[in-house]
Amino acid sequence: AQSVTQLDSQVPVFEEAPVELRCNYSSSVSVYLFWYVQYPNQGLQLLLKYLSGSTLVESINGFEAEFNKSQTSFHLRKPSVHISDTAEYFCAVTWMDSSYKLIFGSGTRLLVRP
Amino acid sequence: DTGVSQDPRHKITKRGQNVTFRCDPISEHNRLYWYRQTLGQGPEFLTYFQNEAQLEKSRLLSDRFSAERPKGSFSTLEIQRTEQGDSAMYLCASSLPHPGIDTQYFGPGTRLTVL
Repeated sequence: AQSVTQLDSQVPVFEEAPVELRCNYSSSVSVYLFWYVQYPNQGLQLLLKYLSGSTLVESINGFEAEFNKSQTSFHLRKPSVHISDTAEYFCAVTWMDSSYKLIFGSGTRLLVRP
Repeated sequence: DTGVSQDPRHKITKRGQNVTFRCDPISEHNRLYWYRQTLGQGPEFLTYFQNEAQLEKSRLLSDRFSAERPKGSFSTLEIQRTEQGDSAMYLCASSLPHPGIDTQYFGPGTRLTVL
C-alpha cells in the first residue's frame, strides 16, 4: 500500500540552528512530492513541491527539500530557523497512477525555542 | 482570488444528528477534494470531484457520508447519524488541472465535535 512516513513527531530546535525534517515514501513509482505547513489555528499552506526537473526545490522563506529517488525520500531542511517557523509540517505524495489524491505523513511538529 | 472557504468553521452536535458542511473552491478550479484530519495525524483522503462528477471515494467514506457538487462549483459533505468517531477536522481542497499534476489549495477546515 502507498504510504508516507515522517518518523519524527516533534523536533525541538533553538532559534538560528539548522533543522531537517525527514520524509520517506513507500514506492519508487513516479511520484509528485509536497511539503505543507500548518500554523496554529490555520489551514494547510503549500510550502514547496517537486514535480520534475531539479531534485532540489526551494521555498520563498528559506526552506528547501531534495528528492532522492533511490532512497525514496524528500527531506525538508532549513539552515537557520526562526521562532515564526514553529508549526506542524506535513509531507504529502501523489502517485502518478492515482487520482491525484494526496497521501500525507502523520506530521512533524517543529518547535523553535529562543 | 479569495482562496478556498469552508462553512461552518466549527460544529458541535449530539450523537445521532445529521450535519452538513459546505466548501467553496477557488473560482475556476474544477477539481475538489475532501479530507479528514484527526488529532495528531495527517489528513486522509475521503473523496474527489472533477466538475460535478464524483470520481473516487475512499473506503473511509462509509454509507453515512455523502458528498455532492451539483453544479461543479461548491460542494457539500453530509454525515448522517453522527458518531463520536466522526469528530475530526474536515478539510476541503481545490485545484486547477496542470499537465500531469495539479496543486491542491486547502481551506481552513470545519472542526466537528460529536458529543
